[in-house]
Amino acid sequence: NAGVTQTPKFQVLKTGQSMTLQCAQDMNHEYMSWYRQDPGMGLRLIHYSVGAGITDQGEVPNGYNVSRSTTEDFPLRLLSAAPSQTSVYFCASSYSTGSSYEQYFGPGTRLTVT
Amino acid sequence: SQKIEQNSEALNIQEGKTATLTCNYTNYSPAYLQWYRQDPGRGPVFLLLIRENEKEKRKERLKVTFDTTLKQSLFHITASQPADSATYLCALDTGSQGNLIFGKGTKLSVKP
Repeated sequence: NAGVTQTPKFQVLKTGQSMTLQCAQDMNHEYMSWYRQDPGMGLRLIHYSVGAGITDQGEVPNGYNVSRSTTEDFPLRLLSAAPSQTSVYFCASSYSTGSSYEQYFGPGTRLTVT
Repeated sequence: SQKIEQNSEALNIQEGKTATLTCNYTNYSPAYLQWYRQDPGRGPVFLLLIRENEKEKRKERLKVTFDTTLKQSLFHITASQPADSATYLCALDTGSQGNLIFGKGTKLSVKP
């Protein structure tokens, strides 16, 4: 059971380039989300999905796209990278315990946009 | 807008003492509050969850309290050890299908 995996671990992009951050989970969790973590800002929600085929925007969605074609995968796409997107990106998955949703985080992708 | 604050960016304590971290929130009435631990270069790891109708929750050396009147949660680590050194995050469960609002974290350093 690998939990939540993310690739790549590190990435450097030039302004205007596009790329996809991969996220996969093998726990059959219904809920998946993407956060970015910046110094002094804490974790901020970018996009989330409550199941295959269903996605919605979080607090900071601009510049990012997502899709959820399977339960396991939830890729995050940067269409035209900007220096403001330099950050550490975390993918998380969770399931309802009937009350709250404890989240399982991946190891993160450190992205630098020059 | 909803706001969550962890009062200290950093907390330094001596090994064996009790560490107490504070989480305050405004403009919201969460049904649940969660605490996570994050080590450098790693993703956060879930520690404890407390419900609004629970005053206190314990897990081994960890204790969390939740005061909905004060809009505050306290996170305690008793008999702290250097291995407890990490950043601790609190998070409000918005009740919106798993969306969490995170605080900025408190970096705890336990000195031997």
